[in-house]
Amino acid sequence: KNEVEQSPQNLTAQEGEFITINCSYSVGISALHWLQQHPGGGIVSLFMLSSGKKKHGRLIATINIQEKHSSLHITASHPRDSAVYICAARYNTNAGKSTFGDGTTLTVKP
Amino acid sequence: DVKVTQSSRYLVKRTGEKVFLECVQDMDHENMFWYRQDPGLGLRLIYFSYDVKMKEKGDIPEGYSVSREKKERFSLILESASTNQTSMYLCASSYYLTSGTSTDTQYFGPGTRLTVL
Repeated sequence: KNEVEQSPQNLTAQEGEFITINCSYSVGISALHWLQQHPGGGIVSLFMLSSGKKKHGRLIATINIQEKHSSLHITASHPRDSAVYICAARYNTNAGKSTFGDGTTLTVKP
Repeated sequence: DVKVTQSSRYLVKRTGEKVFLECVQDMDHENMFWYRQDPGLGLRLIYFSYDVKMKEKGDIPEGYSVSREKKERFSLILESASTNQTSMYLCASSYYLTSGTSTDTQYFGPGTRLTVL
């Protein structure tokens, strides 16, 4: 059983919709990482956060340490947002090891 | 910009061959990682290294070895490739923080899609 769980596994939205992807983890972490992977492409780091909220353009990431839960929001979604979104939990260790969720496949239709 | 490069985007090898996957980063990062990514299984850590000549096993090290002779280069070796090692292999790097709370970002290479026939 993966220690990091994402939901939903697949998500289809219409252009312009507000999107939320959820990530839950089982034990205390030092940071949570959101990543984006386009079809056939490499992985891009979106956010690394350990508390509160971060915003970059139309992307917002939040984390609730007490509830062991993080969300990635996309406002005014666009077809170019179609990708796999992955969360990774960085545990309290200096070695930098992370546990990855299985990813959420987002398809935004025009 | 951080740049992590991998030696090949696509590679086809035969069962039993020795395979070398190379990864180079240009940001003087201490940490380097090798992952494989398979449908339905997500990203899984094979090995990582936090310094030259230092290595630690990840979650699925069986059938693999690694080499880190220089800080910028981390090699993944398949001693005798098998068909179940057909996968996408991703290399990543990050800074090493000694404070005890690591918030550094991992930077990924473009990946090598390895097919073992």
